[in-house]
Amino acid sequence: GQQVMQIPQYQHVQEGEDFTTYCNSSTTLSNIQWYKQRPGGHPVFLIQLVKSGEVKKQKRLTFQFGEAKKNSSLHITATQTTDVGTYFCAGPGVSGGSNYKLTFGKGTLLTVNP
Amino acid sequence: DTGVSQDPRHKITKRGQNVTFRCDPISEHNRLYWYRQTLGQGPEFLTYFQNEAQLEKSRLLSDRFSAERPKGSFSTLEIQRTEQGDSAMYLCASSSHYGYTFGSGTRLTVV
Repeated sequence: GQQVMQIPQYQHVQEGEDFTTYCNSSTTLSNIQWYKQRPGGHPVFLIQLVKSGEVKKQKRLTFQFGEAKKNSSLHITATQTTDVGTYFCAGPGVSGGSNYKLTFGKGTLLTVNP
Repeated sequence: DTGVSQDPRHKITKRGQNVTFRCDPISEHNRLYWYRQTLGQGPEFLTYFQNEAQLEKSRLLSDRFSAERPKGSFSTLEIQRTEQGDSAMYLCASSSHYGYTFGSGTRLTVV
């Protein structure tokens, strides 16, 4: 069925190294959203990308939306231990239905070795 | 408190019992969602309300699950005749324009 896929599933890095997670949708998206879930916590909204080819930065985090609006990436420069968590991408209307209903990927779990 | 509140935080129940969870969304948000999350997975959509109207329900949701949002404020999610496979984190979220605000969730364990 229609879905949102993320790779890698896990990533372990040394503190200071860079990290990238990739998200692909089986359908063209009107927007893509990214969330972070700390261990034992709940997902927290990070950002929404709407335009084809859009790039947005939040301090060390860089988010990109693909030209075809079917893929996205999150890149973290010089990871810190505070970056630990699972990063989810989510797209609206992927599995049909309302554009307010988000379909989440399985996430990428990032662990950082200090 | 301007966040999304969920109650209880944890629930342990015996198989076959009924359970009910409550969610209080951010007051200005007219849309409310219920998701379920199991270990190592992303949140899975269950149902969604706009004000008091339940606009969508997952096809994966059995008839044992029901949700309400009377008066368009708080919402309840009831699971009847719980099964071990219902064990999961049940997340409530609300939104107005874009971006969900999630609550801390209710962790259900069915024994």
